Amino acid sequence: KQEVTQIPAALSVPEGENLVLNCSFTDSAIYNLQWFRQDPGKGLTSLLLIQSSQREQTSGRLNASLDKSSGRSTLYIAASQPGDSATYLCAVRLITQGGSEKLVFGKGTKLTVNP
Amino acid sequence: NAGVTQTPKFQVLKTGQSMTLQCAQDMNHNSMYWYRQDPGMGLRLIYYSASEGTTDKGEVPNGYNVSRLNKREFSLRLESAAPSQTSVYFCASSHPIGATQYNSPLHFGNGTRLTVT
Repeated sequence: KQEVTQIPAALSVPEGENLVLNCSFTDSAIYNLQWFRQDPGKGLTSLLLIQSSQREQTSGRLNASLDKSSGRSTLYIAASQPGDSATYLCAVRLITQGGSEKLVFGKGTKLTVNP
Repeated sequence: NAGVTQTPKFQVLKTGQSMTLQCAQDMNHNSMYWYRQDPGMGLRLIYYSASEGTTDKGEVPNGYNVSRLNKREFSLRLESAAPSQTSVYFCASSHPIGATQYNSPLHFGNGTRLTVT
């Protein structure tokens, strides 16, 4: 059974700091990995998607890496801002034994960026 | 761009009542999903639909039924609500694995916050 773990569960940093969020998964048979942002009381917003054949993706101040063989992904946020405060979730997309597809989510890292 | 639209946004039910959560997407996606999100449990898949007329159970399907009315709409029904179904429900959609856009990201609605008393 695929399990996705995110460490730490919560992180508090001062504004301007560079930071890394970690995501690990137990089964390397994934199609892609997606990072989401969730603000309180809101839905999930897709940040970056890394294909299983890729090593990293970048969007603005965000950089996500994927090491499928070791079951790890990181989300790097440069020059953090208070507006980056949110919960960040990673999810792996796979095909189940029954042939349907699903995303398996980690429980998220709650990031607080202090002014 | 509307994306994924869920209704209602909030709902309070008494134990035993029934209701249907509605979801519609305007991105021409084949795949649609229903998830529930609970504190400490994360997001868990309730049902998945690969296309109109097809549905598959996810991790936590008990107590729920779904209907893929057409390509745009995917509804979730609680026939007899229980307090354990108090949660935030999210609908999502995407192109499926294997399609031209097989790596397309999932797009989520803003959720329905359901309380069962």
